[in-house]
Amino acid sequence: AQSVSQHNHHVILSEAASLELGCNYSYGGTVNLFWYVQYPGQHLQLLLKYFSGDPLVKGIKGFEAEFIKSKFSFNLRKPSVQWSDTAEYFCAVADKLIFGTGTRLQVFP
Amino acid sequence: DTGVSQDPRHKITKRGQNVTFRCDPISEHNRLYWYRQTLGQGPEFLTYFQNEAQLEKSRLLSDRFSAERPKGSFSTLEIQRTEQGDSAMYLCASSLRVLGRRDTEAFFGQGTRLTVV
Repeated sequence: AQSVSQHNHHVILSEAASLELGCNYSYGGTVNLFWYVQYPGQHLQLLLKYFSGDPLVKGIKGFEAEFIKSKFSFNLRKPSVQWSDTAEYFCAVADKLIFGTGTRLQVFP
Repeated sequence: DTGVSQDPRHKITKRGQNVTFRCDPISEHNRLYWYRQTLGQGPEFLTYFQNEAQLEKSRLLSDRFSAERPKGSFSTLEIQRTEQGDSAMYLCASSLRVLGRRDTEAFFGQGTRLTVV
């Protein structure tokens, strides 16, 4: 069965701090992994995706994620957050696109 | 607008009534997903389709919920005998699955907010 676990439910940072959000998955098939972001009042948008190849993937707005197969992890990172990164972040695994419970990120100026 | 569209955007209904939501995916997308999202939670998988075939329905979903995608294009989600616990945002997403290739990412609609009073 597919499942996704996100460890951090609520993260509060100051601008310019570094960010790492944890994501662990469970899936027996070929893994497709995603991070989506939901800004207040907006619909879900793709940040980045991993299908195969280089396990370090880069997405929009300076985000990146590293796929570590041995740890079943796909953690999201950003070296320096901005106030505009305040949002909910969701990790997801396909085939049938299952989402984690999400992490609420608040960035203060 | 060539994105995923959902209708209506908001629905208020009395407990016990039936409601139906519609989703129009991106035109060339053959996969369509339905989710339910409540405040502070991630999208909860309800069901998904490949063309007109319903591939899976969540075991958490009661028999009051049914979804169709009759011609492999738009889809409807019906909730019968609504309960207050059904109040949530209902999300639709679509993607393209090509045999032997990777999927595109799923694109989401704005959702239908259901309030059961």
